[in-house]
Amino acid sequence: AQSVAQPEDQVNVAEGNPLTVKCTYSVSGNPYLFWYVQYPNRGLQFLLKYITGDNLVKGSYGFEAEFNKSQTSFHLKKPSALVSDSALYFCAVNSSSASKIIFGSGTRLSIRP
Amino acid sequence: NAGVTQTPKFQVLKTGQSMTLQCAQDMNHEYMSWYRQDPGMGLRLIHYSVGAGITDQGEVPNGYNVSRSTTEDFPLRLLSAAPSQTSVYFCASSGTSVDEQFFGPGTRLTVL
Repeated sequence: AQSVAQPEDQVNVAEGNPLTVKCTYSVSGNPYLFWYVQYPNRGLQFLLKYITGDNLVKGSYGFEAEFNKSQTSFHLKKPSALVSDSALYFCAVNSSSASKIIFGSGTRLSIRP
Repeated sequence: NAGVTQTPKFQVLKTGQSMTLQCAQDMNHEYMSWYRQDPGMGLRLIHYSVGAGITDQGEVPNGYNVSRSTTEDFPLRLLSAAPSQTSVYFCASSGTSVDEQFFGPGTRLTVL
């Protein structure tokens, strides 16, 4: 069975500092990995995905994520955080042996000015 | 394009009542799914469909039914509502299961 874990309920970062939101996964077959963001009173929006190829994936709003097969991780990163990045972030996983897209429990990112 | 639409936006039910949450998309997407969002639990997959006439169970399917008679529509039926089904429900669609999913605005359901 596939699963995804986001070990931190909340991440607090000062504006201008780099940020990392962690995600680990477990699947049978090749993983397909996604990050989504949910802003207050707005719907869920796609940020980026990894299907195959380069382990460093670039996405919307300056975010990027690094796929690490040996550590089964897909951490979300940004070099310089903005207050407007404050939101709820979800990691999701699918695999080559399934069609289910499973989401993690979410990490609330709070950027202080 | 309207994208993914969900109706109603809000609903209050009494225990034991049944209802259908509507979901429609106008992007000709084959893949559609239903999630529920609860505090601390993230998004949990209820049911999904890889195309018209094909549905399958997700992580938490009990108490819910779906059907996919057309590409556009993917209704979610609550057979006999329970307080544990109080949640926010999101419908999503994508071209395939490896494509970006587009989410609807959600339905906030309260079961008394």
